[in-house]
Amino acid sequence: QQPVQSPQAVILREGEDAVINCSSSKALYSVHWYRQKHGEAPVFLMILLKGGEQKGHEKISASFNEKKQQSSLYLTASQLSYSGTYFCGTEARGTSYGKLTFGQGTILTVHP
Amino acid sequence: EAGVVQSPRYKIIEKKQPVAFWCNPISGHNTLYWYLQNLGQGPELLIRYENEEAVDDSQLPKDRFSAERLKGVDSTLKIQPAELGDSAVYLCASSLDRETGRTEAFFGQGTRLTVV
Repeated sequence: QQPVQSPQAVILREGEDAVINCSSSKALYSVHWYRQKHGEAPVFLMILLKGGEQKGHEKISASFNEKKQQSSLYLTASQLSYSGTYFCGTEARGTSYGKLTFGQGTILTVHP
Repeated sequence: EAGVVQSPRYKIIEKKQPVAFWCNPISGHNTLYWYLQNLGQGPELLIRYENEEAVDDSQLPKDRFSAERLKGVDSTLKIQPAELGDSAVYLCASSLDRETGRTEAFFGQGTRLTVV
């Protein structure tokens, strides 16, 4: 069962902040975040393990609440280059290692 | 360091024809994935390899899809015969293994398949 992302889409102006949420019905071992631009491959942003927080980029960070089986991606002072579709991928406990199940994606559009 | 390389980038075939996709993972990556991505959706796992072994192929439609990873490096995904509903982007990804603690997947550009 795939994780649920919210919102489905968000529109920002440069410099504004955004939060993208990812929620799973299963206990999680890890959460991975990716960004995909139109016609391109998904690009890895960061991974969160066991409730820890790993900051992958300067203005993009994330948190992982193990108890609630949720993760949030925080984009601060957004730039035009942040535009794209963001996917969370979850690795559920009890499944085979490395099996990522992706959410449906959140489309982020940043305008000048 | 070269990334994950896939070919071809685009493929248009008639239904009932066979098609094959090729993937060269990042050097040293033990784990290789094939994903299917429909328009507006997240990637869906088809098959995952640990070296030469397919460790998770539960979502691979085995009546028409097959895959192989000879010598634990390159991989080929085949569809025979193709159906209209197979039109999608087929993504290959690779990662190191859990022992190294580096499990993030690196994706190739994908092959966009159109079945007409």
